[in-house]
Amino acid sequence: DSGVTQTPKHLITATGQRVTLRCSPRSGDLSVYWYQQSLDQGLQFLIQYYNGEERAKGNILERFSAQQFPDLHSELNLSSLELGDSALYFCATAGLADNEQFFGPGTRLTVL
Amino acid sequence: TQLLEQSPQFLSIQEGENLTVYCNSSSVFSSLQWYRQEPGEGPVLLVTVVTGGEVKKLKRLTFQFGDARKDSSLHITAAQPGDTGLYLCAGAFSGSARQLTFGSGTQLTVLP
Repeated sequence: DSGVTQTPKHLITATGQRVTLRCSPRSGDLSVYWYQQSLDQGLQFLIQYYNGEERAKGNILERFSAQQFPDLHSELNLSSLELGDSALYFCATAGLADNEQFFGPGTRLTVL
Repeated sequence: TQLLEQSPQFLSIQEGENLTVYCNSSSVFSSLQWYRQEPGEGPVLLVTVVTGGEVKKLKRLTFQFGDARKDSSLHITAAQPGDTGLYLCAGAFSGSARQLTFGSGTQLTVLP
């Protein structure tokens, strides 16, 4: 158990809908990273927040957004969902050292 | 775009055999991590290497970081069925120390 929690575990929705994925970091971790993992693309970095501020952006679509709240939990919002958005979404958190990331159990999103 | 190439992509061996997985890039890593992921779960951090030529051991697993910090290897001695999983290397490149680029992974199956 990494100490990182993600909810929900599974999410099934329809195309065009909007969903919110939630991540709670390990105690004391200030950085939150979001990743998408699909069979054909592997693990892709989406976005990073550090202590409430956006720090880095990766391959994140404009339909996706994220935020980190004062209590350091983070949410990833996915809108106008398409079939191709079906994937595992992971968050990872890191402490001050910031070079070691600890992953949550993931949210499996299925878009029908 | 900084790429991490992992090989082999798939590996199926008998219990008791040894194996090596490779991770290569044309760019220099500021640090490199190895993760192990089981189906439907998040990647679990195995080791972080930061110094060129560094060797770290974790029971039957030996991790080596190349002298030039562009490559790494994971060697497993006397593999066991419990070693089965997806092994991922992830590198932080100089200049983007907080972002990790993941390799495509090596799916290891150890047959009893």
